[in-house]
Amino acid sequence: GENVEQHPSTLSVQEGDSAVIKCTYSDSASNYFPWYKQELGKRPQLIIDIRSNVGEKKDQRIAVTLNKTAKHFSLHITETQPEDSAVYFCAASNSGGGADGLTFGKGTHLIIQP
Amino acid sequence: DTEVTQTPKHLVMGMTNKKSLKCEQHMGHRAMYWYKQKAKKPPELMFVYSYEKLSINESVPSRFSPECPNSSLLNLHLHALQPEDSALYLCASSQRTGGGLGYTFGSGTRLTVV
Repeated sequence: GENVEQHPSTLSVQEGDSAVIKCTYSDSASNYFPWYKQELGKRPQLIIDIRSNVGEKKDQRIAVTLNKTAKHFSLHITETQPEDSAVYFCAASNSGGGADGLTFGKGTHLIIQP
Repeated sequence: DTEVTQTPKHLVMGMTNKKSLKCEQHMGHRAMYWYKQKAKKPPELMFVYSYEKLSINESVPSRFSPECPNSSLLNLHLHALQPEDSALYLCASSQRTGGGLGYTFGSGTRLTVV
């Protein structure tokens, strides 16, 4: 099955700086890579996703890059703000018809220092 | 309606009790999922239903019994649980399996087994 590794487990950055979280996956058949933000006591919320036919996707301050050859993908948050503090999870799946759900990384606790 | 609704939000049950968790969506999604999330851990896939049929059971103990009565509803029947089963149980749905379009999580049921 799929295995997703996520680093770092904790990331502390100054407000206004950029944050980068990295994930690697093991199954070359995986073709869908979402990122979730989870605040304490709340549900995971999709913040951005990318499919394997795309190398990069951007949505305002958030971007995701994918390197299929190396089997890794990264989340980039620019101009960080206090409300960005949360746990971020990367995930991978094969959405090509194989009936599997999402395999998550272990999560990154992002702390924005004022 | 773009939400996945889970009830109850909180549940405390004894080890000899039988209870059910409910999940409902009206987005026309034909894939529905149950995940278990322990504190400070990522969600772990338990079951996948595709077109109301169980397509994945991730070696979940038989004390957890899923049911999909129709395309909008997903239940998780609980019986003879152990204290280590205490966790946040998340339901999700998507337009297709493998985390395709519109993958949405419910707010979860926080289960405590005493």
